[in-house]
Amino acid sequence: GNSVTQMEGPVTLSEEAFLTINCTYTATGYPSLFWYVQYPGEGLQLLLKATKADDKGSNKGFEATYRKETTSFHLEKGSVQVSDSAVYFCALSDRAGGSYIPTFGRGTSLIVHP
Amino acid sequence: NAGVTQTPKFRVLKTGQSMTLLCAQDMNHEYMYWYRQDPGMGLRLIHYSVGEGTTAKGEVPDGYNVSRLKKQNFLLGLESAAPSQTSVYFCASTAPGPEETQYFGPGTRLLVL
Repeated sequence: GNSVTQMEGPVTLSEEAFLTINCTYTATGYPSLFWYVQYPGEGLQLLLKATKADDKGSNKGFEATYRKETTSFHLEKGSVQVSDSAVYFCALSDRAGGSYIPTFGRGTSLIVHP
Repeated sequence: NAGVTQTPKFRVLKTGQSMTLLCAQDMNHEYMYWYRQDPGMGLRLIHYSVGEGTTAKGEVPDGYNVSRLKKQNFLLGLESAAPSQTSVYFCASTAPGPEETQYFGPGTRLLVL
């Protein structure tokens, strides 16, 4: 079956530090990969996505590259802000493989201090 | 365009009481999902629906029932609430075809005493 593994948190950084949150996956087909962000008290919202190998998704200064050879989709940002404090979820969707159910990682909490 | 909305936002129940959580979406999406989110457990799928009149079990369906009588609505029912069902519940929807992004509601916080 499909699975997503992401690094456990919390990740604690100072403002303007570099961020990496690791995500690896296993899938039987050729999934699309996603990063969702959840701000306190809110639902998840899409941050970025990539639909095929070597695609790079980017949004709000965040980026992630779909690496088929290492089955990874690590999230990076060059300079984090206090407003980036949230929980980040890596996910995959294998609609082409016939699955209607996306697979989520457990989430990584990011805390950014001024 | 409101996206995905959930009613109520917060509810307190006593053990054994019943309630229905309502999810509505105005994006004409075929697929809808109910998740629960608990500390350290991530999101767990309760039930889902791939179209009006259809429902299927997810990872943790016990103690819950669902109905999808209208395409835009997906109802989650608790017939006899238990403290273990204290959680935050999220509804999500997505379109069929290559667009696989999930759109989430703001959540319903449920406390069962």
